[in-house]
Formats: sequence, C-alpha cells, structure tokens
Amino acid sequence: GQSLEQPSEVTAVEGAIVQINCTYQTSGFYGLSWYQQHDGGAPTFLSYNALDGLEETGRFSSFLSRSDSYGYLLLQELQMKDSASYFCAVRWNRDDKIIFGKGTRLHILP
Amino acid sequence: EAQVTQNPRYLITVTGKKLTVTCSQNMNHEYMSWYRQDPGLGLRQIYYSMNVEVTDKGDVPEGYKVSRKEKRNFPLILESPSPNQTSLYFCASRQSPFGQLNEKLFFGSGTQLSVL
Repeated sequence: GQSLEQPSEVTAVEGAIVQINCTYQTSGFYGLSWYQQHDGGAPTFLSYNALDGLEETGRFSSFLSRSDSYGYLLLQELQMKDSASYFCAVRWNRDDKIIFGKGTRLHILP
Repeated sequence: EAQVTQNPRYLITVTGKKLTVTCSQNMNHEYMSWYRQDPGLGLRQIYYSMNVEVTDKGDVPEGYKVSRKEKRNFPLILESPSPNQTSLYFCASRQSPFGQLNEKLFFGSGTQLSVL
C-alpha cells in the first residue's frame, strides 16, 4: 500500500538548523507537500515539490529526490514559534487521494 | 477573507444519533476533502470531491457519507456515530486542475467530535 515515513519527534536549539526527513513508496508518486500544524490549530501549507531539487521560501526549504523516494524539510534560524508538528503529504498518480505522514513533532530548546 | 469554515467547532453526541458537520469555502475551489486526525496516526482522508456531484472514497470512508450539491459546501454526515469516530475532523479545499500553484490545501479550523 501507500505509506510515508517520517520521524515522530525532533529536538533542536533556537537559532539552529533542523532537517525533517520523509520517505515514501515510489509507485505512482506525483508530488510531495509539507504542512505545519501548531497545537490546537489547523494544518497550514508550507511547500510543494514535484521535481528533484530544492525549493526555498524564506527560512524554510524543501528538497526532493525522486530517485531515492526521499524528501526533507529544512528549517533555518529556528525560532520558538516554529515549535509545531510537521507533516509530509504525497499525492499519487494525479488523483486526489492525498496521503499524509504521521507527523514530526519539533521541540525547540532556548 | 479567503477561508474554509467548519461548524461546529466542538460536538459531543451519543452513539447512533445522526449528525452533520458543515464545511463551506469562499474561494471557488473545485476540490474539497475531509480528514480525520487521531493521535499518532496523522491525517487520514475520509472522502474527497473533485467537483459538484462528484465524490470519491479516501482511506477511511466507513461510517461516513458526504454530498456535494453546491460548489462551496461539502458536509460530512455520520448516520449512526460510534465511539471509534471520536476524532478531530478537518475539511480542506484546493483549486483544480492540478499544477504546482494549485497544490496548496486550505484547511478549516477543525471540529472536535466526541461520541459517547
């Protein structure tokens, strides 16, 4: 079946850089998205990669390697407000059955 | 303001009592979807709709119904709720057709449902 793997928790220090990885099954892959969700809030869209390479949006970047079935979200200059859960999401074969990973809880230490 | 509106925000009900969670978007999006979120399981897709009168099952459709009679509205119906449907529910919408600019899902603020 279709599945995504991402770490359940990551801890980093304020001001540092952190990378959250996501691996997925290859068959029928169409694109990889990332969402941020604060406690009690709704998921909000961060980025999308359909092609190999790095997409940069301010302090956040997302990378995709289709040959390795792997992507990551890179957060730079971490701020306390970045403490949240981060989800990778994949759409397969142009249909809209979008599958989300189980989420990575990011803890930021002062 | 562009938004997806869900109601109610919180709902407590009893087993077997039919309920409807409403979802409305004001962005003229063609695609709408329902997800449930449970601790440790992430977001799981229940149903989605590509356009008016077009709906499809997601990964966990059992026990749920949806309808799409108007473009802006996509209600989620639980005909006979059971305790295992206690969860946090999110409605989301997105433009179609597909394309990099259209990948962004807009989420409602969520409905916390408790079935006793």
